[in-house]
Amino acid sequence: ETGVTQSPTHLIKTRGQQVTLRCSSQSGHNTVSWYQQALGQGPQFIFQYYREEENGRGNFPPRFSGLQFPNYSSELNVNALELDDSALYLCASSPETVSAGYTFGSGTRLTVV
Amino acid sequence: GQNIDQPTEMTATEGAIVQINCTYQTSGFNGLFWYQQHAGEAPTFLSYNVLDGLEEKGRFSSFLSRSKGYSYLLLKELQMKDSASYLCAVRGDNYGQNFVFGPGTRLSVLP
Repeated sequence: ETGVTQSPTHLIKTRGQQVTLRCSSQSGHNTVSWYQQALGQGPQFIFQYYREEENGRGNFPPRFSGLQFPNYSSELNVNALELDDSALYLCASSPETVSAGYTFGSGTRLTVV
Repeated sequence: GQNIDQPTEMTATEGAIVQINCTYQTSGFNGLFWYQQHAGEAPTFLSYNVLDGLEEKGRFSSFLSRSKGYSYLLLKELQMKDSASYLCAVRGDNYGQNFVFGPGTRLSVLP
């Protein structure tokens, strides 16, 4: 079984630009969540998708948006990038079982200059 | 609101035992998870507790007390490769709100 894959692994963008990050969930997982992790901190929940619908959102502004596709892969879009958006963006997938831990991808390191 | 606290850093010696504590205050509770994260890598799932008590998995054990809002991760026979950040995460009363992660505890294992 394949794990969670994210692309790209690293990205440099200029303030004000837009970025799209991609995630392929683990086979059999229908729930995808996105997290932002600043250096030296724990991951912060951005939002979650279940069967192509957003079903939870953290404290992030509307310029953070997402999509989930029928094959359960997902995208995170960030508009009007700010310097503080520089972070590791993690995608995690899980099956419906509550006790299952999330499987994380290796992340996309975004640097905004 | 949601609040999870962990010590920022800990140091221990190879072969020793270390206990990493986590306290939480959440609006609901549907399980507590521990993750290990090596620098520059993705978090990996270590353990899950939803009932009070101790869950043992090889060298790693995790304990939960729901009445106290408290958990710990116990690492035995420490190895150099255990040097990593350990993240405590709580799933609250709304599945849609996902996990709330603590800040992580950076463990350094010294020879």
